[in-house]
Amino acid sequence: GQSLEQPSEVTAVEGAIVQMNCTYQTSGFYGLSWYQQHDGGAPTFLSYNALDGLEETGRFSSFLSRSDSYGYLLLQELQMKDSASYFCAVRELTGGGNKLTFGTGTQLKVEL
Amino acid sequence: DGGITQSPKYLFRKEGQNVTLSCEQNLNHDAMYWYRQDPGQGLRLIYYSQIVNDFQKGDIAEGYSVSREKKESFPLTVTSAQKNPTAFYLCASSMTRRGTGELFFGEGSRLTVL
Repeated sequence: GQSLEQPSEVTAVEGAIVQMNCTYQTSGFYGLSWYQQHDGGAPTFLSYNALDGLEETGRFSSFLSRSDSYGYLLLQELQMKDSASYFCAVRELTGGGNKLTFGTGTQLKVEL
Repeated sequence: DGGITQSPKYLFRKEGQNVTLSCEQNLNHDAMYWYRQDPGQGLRLIYYSQIVNDFQKGDIAEGYSVSREKKESFPLTVTSAQKNPTAFYLCASSMTRRGTGELFFGEGSRLTVL
């Protein structure tokens, strides 16, 4: 099975940089995804890493180390609208497709 | 516009009643998923389907049932056997092995058992 750990809460100041970590234990690993969810809303896809290293998309970057079973999401130039929950998810391939297992999420609070 | 539609958005049911949540997608995705989310928790996989007329149990399938008779539709039935059904239910779809495996989510159905 899969097991993912994330810190439950992180607080940061507007304009700052924040890093949210994710460690995982898995019996099958194909990649690590990150999703953002505002209160009461649908999760939306942010980033994906299949190989070691850093992926950058605008203010968001995601890092993966497969040997350490570890990844993180980095948000730069924080804005109030970034206050949300952030979930990492392990992707494994099953049969003809995907299966994603999510962590419990990190709630990010951005303050003035 | 392409997307995933879940209905109803809010649903109340009495204990002992079955209820079916609808999920329809027009993204032409082969794979569809149902997740459950409890307050302050992550998403837990209930069932998923990679192709029409086939589906697999996820991590918490007990007390739930699904069908996949059409590519576009993946309804979830919450049965009376589900001991704690009050939760936020999210349906998603994705392409299969290609690309990032990105899940596209519906807006969710919030079920409350009275």
